[in-house]
Amino acid sequence: DTAVSQTPKYLVTQMGNDKSIKCEQNLGHDTMYWYKQDSKKFLKIMFSYNNKELIINETVPNRFSPKSPDKAHLNLHINSLELGDSAVYFCASSQVRLAGAGELFFGEGSRLTVL
Amino acid sequence: GEDVEQSLFLSVREGDSSVINCTYTDSSSTYLYWYKQEPGAGLQLLTYIFSNMDMKQDQRLTVLLNKKDKHLSLRIADTQTGDSAIYFCAEIPDSGGYQKVTFGIGTKLQVIP
Repeated sequence: DTAVSQTPKYLVTQMGNDKSIKCEQNLGHDTMYWYKQDSKKFLKIMFSYNNKELIINETVPNRFSPKSPDKAHLNLHINSLELGDSAVYFCASSQVRLAGAGELFFGEGSRLTVL
Repeated sequence: GEDVEQSLFLSVREGDSSVINCTYTDSSSTYLYWYKQEPGAGLQLLTYIFSNMDMKQDQRLTVLLNKKDKHLSLRIADTQTGDSAIYFCAEIPDSGGYQKVTFGIGTKLQVIP
């Protein structure tokens, strides 16, 4: 059973198109994230949702719109794709704790290539 | 990335020890983590250390923390080819409440047979 699954795994599209990446977690976690990993492997947080509520939004162009229909799902929609959006997008989840070390569980990534 | 620094690349021979280093800037970090990313996969938590500890050992892994210098290291004993991966150091500046993990840029470990 895959804990954090995202689809599609690969996405190749033209500049200007709109695309979505979906993520689902079956761990019962209350917090989900989108991370972007560029070609140099630098991993940067984009968004975080806790119980369907947006809690982190890191200077991401408003062409990127996350949506969380319930706490097990977090989707990412990207409008008007640009070349610089090419990257691997990782979904992750965690159980927020008031104390104690937390752990992020990552999906396998969705590699987006914009031509 | 800009607050957590790591060297980009490390190459070792199979059977040798590997030491991956990391420096961080936020002294309020309560937990520091090492994540491993194998090719084509997401990151997986390898180990973590609480900030009031200076060492943690887990089988072949040893984590050393120098809080004064804000330096974290991961030592892998008897490195195997299966250890080839990218290793990310990470910190959570505020462990109470919502998590905003900051990752280093990752160190690519290459193990030569």
